[in-house]
Amino acid sequence: QSVLTQAPSASGTPGQRVTISCSGSSSNIESNTVSWYQQIPGKAPKLLIYSNNQRPSGVPDRFSGSKSGTSASLAINGLQSEDEADYFCAAWDDSLNGRYVFGTGTKVIVL
Amino acid sequence: EVQLVESGGGLVKPGGSLRLSCAASGFTFSSYSMNWVRQAPGKGLEWVSSISGGTTYIYYADSLKGRFTISRDNAKNSLYLQMNSLRAEDTAVYYCVREAVAATCFEYWGQGTLVTVSS
Repeated sequence: QSVLTQAPSASGTPGQRVTISCSGSSSNIESNTVSWYQQIPGKAPKLLIYSNNQRPSGVPDRFSGSKSGTSASLAINGLQSEDEADYFCAAWDDSLNGRYVFGTGTKVIVL
Repeated sequence: EVQLVESGGGLVKPGGSLRLSCAASGFTFSSYSMNWVRQAPGKGLEWVSSISGGTTYIYYADSLKGRFTISRDNAKNSLYLQMNSLRAEDTAVYYCVREAVAATCFEYWGQGTLVTVSS
């Protein structure tokens, strides 16, 4: 029951730029901030981007986020082998008394 | 260092109950909203519930339909999730997650505890 839609997969070779999109609606992405999470298989998710485009300390600057209207994007510049993981977007949703919603997730494959 | 350690997961029969706990350390627990997020095997993330630091605000995913109850004990730096009338579709890893204080995001995650609902 994910409310935010992401492409199932994205791929690139080392050094390339990969972009992941997250599509939502007026009740979530358009009216609230977006965050992004990286999950290595078998591990807990890790915060990558918050408030649409802010990086927590320790997150490499090759990761960047943006938002426009009802969509958000995560870009990975200079793709590295260790970036192979699942990526999820998330946002607060103002409908139905309030709730957090996650994206369906995108698996990034480094070729 | 922020630490979140979940416990209480395990195998339970359909219709049964389970109580998850999360022991927090490394920060002023009462100052932060806390969440439970789950992930079914091979699936994506699903937000379950949120509780504010002073328990004023509590939210649940609609899909739970009143079966789960979130609570916290700030004196014990602990978060709880009481799960009743469990179903096979509740099988998942349950993560204890701390929100950021000045941003709407999940800042720190525990390692998760696996709940398996099966006869």
